Amino acid sequence: LAKTTQPISMDSYEGQEVNITCSHNNIATNDYITWYQQFPSQGPRFIIQGYKTKVTNEVASLFIPADRKSSTLSLPRVSLSDTAVYYCLVGDGGSARQLTFGSGTQLTVLP
Amino acid sequence: NAGVTQTPKFQVLKTGQSMTLQCAQDMNHEYMSWYRQDPGMGLRLIHYSVGAGITDQGEVPNGYNVSRSTTEDFPLRLLSAAPSQTSVYFCASSHRTGRNYGYTFGSGTRLTVV
Repeated sequence: LAKTTQPISMDSYEGQEVNITCSHNNIATNDYITWYQQFPSQGPRFIIQGYKTKVTNEVASLFIPADRKSSTLSLPRVSLSDTAVYYCLVGDGGSARQLTFGSGTQLTVLP
Repeated sequence: NAGVTQTPKFQVLKTGQSMTLQCAQDMNHEYMSWYRQDPGMGLRLIHYSVGAGITDQGEVPNGYNVSRSTTEDFPLRLLSAAPSQTSVYFCASSHRTGRNYGYTFGSGTRLTVV
């Protein structure tokens, strides 16, 4: 399973765009990149998943360069309620062993 | 609402006691997994199942048993509780591919072993 590296913490202000980058140098050909969000005392929640280039949904965008060795989660115009831990995971979506969580990135949105 | 249901939400056990954490999903997902999360840390995989009758060990399986007799249910059994098993336990499920929607997690069971 590809190991991922993320910043431990980030601070932002309300209304700003936040970009969280994840490094995954050993990503395999079949691996997908998935991001989860976790609030205190809750289970992680799926945010977005991608394989290459750019993926966008109603919550976030995911940018993946051509070499796929990193990815960037972009959260537009964050609010206080976006304060959470964000996890980047890499693995074959068809494997139940995909979900290897690192320590994640604690995003704190300030007023 | 459809999703993953975990019971109980809170539990206190004495060292040496046994108990079963329940997990049920109504989304007809093939994959189910159990994780534990210790304070300030990410989730660690305990056991997982790719379908009824099939289970396998994850990263930290010692002290836990699982079975998968139906698609819907995936209980986690603590054989003889130890203080080191104090943690928050999450159950998750996914369709076989998991490529477009990822895993759905339950709300967790907070377990304290004294």
